Amino acid sequence: SQTIHQWPATLVQPVGSPLSLECTVEGTSNPNLYWYRQAAGRGLQLLFYSVGIGQISSEVPQNLSASRPQDRQFILSSKKLLLSDSGFYLCAWSVWTAGQPQHFGDGTRLSIL
Amino acid sequence: DQQVKQNSPSLSVQEGRISILNCDYTNSMFDYFLWYKKYPAEGPTFLISISSIKDKNEDGRFTVFLNKSAKHLSLHIVPSQPGDSAVYFCAASRNDYKLSFGAGTTVTVRA
Repeated sequence: SQTIHQWPATLVQPVGSPLSLECTVEGTSNPNLYWYRQAAGRGLQLLFYSVGIGQISSEVPQNLSASRPQDRQFILSSKKLLLSDSGFYLCAWSVWTAGQPQHFGDGTRLSIL
Repeated sequence: DQQVKQNSPSLSVQEGRISILNCDYTNSMFDYFLWYKKYPAEGPTFLISISSIKDKNEDGRFTVFLNKSAKHLSLHIVPSQPGDSAVYFCAASRNDYKLSFGAGTTVTVRA
C-alpha cells in the first residue's frame, strides 16, 4: 500500500531564517506531488504541483519554492521566511489520472516568530 | 477567487441522525467532485467522490449528491457517529490534477 511521510510535524522558525520541508511517498511510482497551505479558517490553497522529476508548477506567487530531486521526494523551501509564511503545510500525492483523489500527509505546523 | 464555497462553517447533529453538508461551486468546467474529512493535526482523508456524469454516489454511510444545474453538491452521513466529528472539505477538479477546496465545515456529533 502507498504511504506518504511528511516532516517535521511542527516547526518554529524566526523571521528571515531558511526553510526546508520534506515529503516522501512509498509504494507507488511516478506520482503527482503537491504542496498545499491551509491558513486558519480557510480551505487548502495549492502552492506547487509536480508531474515528474524536476518538473514544478507554481500556482501562486510567494516567498516559497519547491523541488523534486527524486521521483518520490518533494521539498518545500524558502531562503528567508516571512511572518505571512506561518500556516499548516500539507504534502499530497495522486496517480496521474485526472479526477483521482489526492492523498495527504499529516502536515507541518509552521510558526514564524 | 473562491470557486468552491461551503457556506456553513459548522454543523451540530445528534448521534444517529443524518448530517447534511452542502457545497456550491461557480466553475461549470468542474467535472470531478470530492469530499475529504480532516481531524485536528492530521492531513485530510479522502471520503467519496462523484463524476459530473452522475448525480449520486453512495459508499456505506456516505452519499454524495450532485445537482449540476444548481452547481451544488451535498454529502449525507447516515447515521452520524461520534467519530464523524471532524472538518469536512468539498473539492472540485477540471479534469486535471488540481483541486479547488472549500473552506470546510466543522461537524460535531452530540451523544
